[in-house]
Amino acid sequence: GAVVSQHPSRVICKSGTSVKIECRSLDFQATTMFWYRQFPKKSLMLMATSNEGSKATYEQGVEKDKFLINHASLTLSTLTVTSAHPEDSSFYICSARDQGPREQYFGPGTRLTVT
Amino acid sequence: AQSVTQPDIHITVSEGASLELRCNYSYGATPYLFWYVQSPGQGLQLLLKYFSGDTLVQGIKGFEAEFKRSQSSFNLRKPSVHWSDAAEYFCAVGLTGTASKLTFGTGTRLQVTL
Repeated sequence: GAVVSQHPSRVICKSGTSVKIECRSLDFQATTMFWYRQFPKKSLMLMATSNEGSKATYEQGVEKDKFLINHASLTLSTLTVTSAHPEDSSFYICSARDQGPREQYFGPGTRLTVT
Repeated sequence: AQSVTQPDIHITVSEGASLELRCNYSYGATPYLFWYVQSPGQGLQLLLKYFSGDTLVQGIKGFEAEFKRSQSSFNLRKPSVHWSDAAEYFCAVGLTGTASKLTFGTGTRLQVTL
């Protein structure tokens, strides 16, 4: 089946620094990737949709300058949290979709803790 | 705007008992419907999906769901729950023509007692 990986699985960073999270589709080409944020005991909130080679589309209320998304290839999308603050601490999950099935394949998530 | 409601925040069942998790959606047309399961600290695994056709959908791990258009529901069922089914379950709606953007319900946490 389709496999999506995320790296790192867990990261701790100091307030004010930036951190990059990678999302890779391992066995298929992902024309579209999605980034979600999940607060403790809460549902997933879609942050942005990225298509390979074009700018990401951000959901309302998501700061595009803070959450930089790059989808440079058909197998890799990155989310960079810039100038991180403790309130950015969360579980970030990516998903990927190819041109075929109308479903998304989810990565295992990245736990970000900002101290 | 579309929305998904999972009325039960937390459900506890005994191992071997049957299970039904409720999901209702609000959308003008028939959406794509999904059920995902999430174990603590993990990503989401697709249990089953409905796009069209037979309204009773079979999924992995013995789960099934039935799409009822008249009730705007897509409830998840399992006839006999196993302790390993304890997890968080999310219902999601995907809109046609929007590159599969998903709207998730708030989730139902399933606890299984032995």
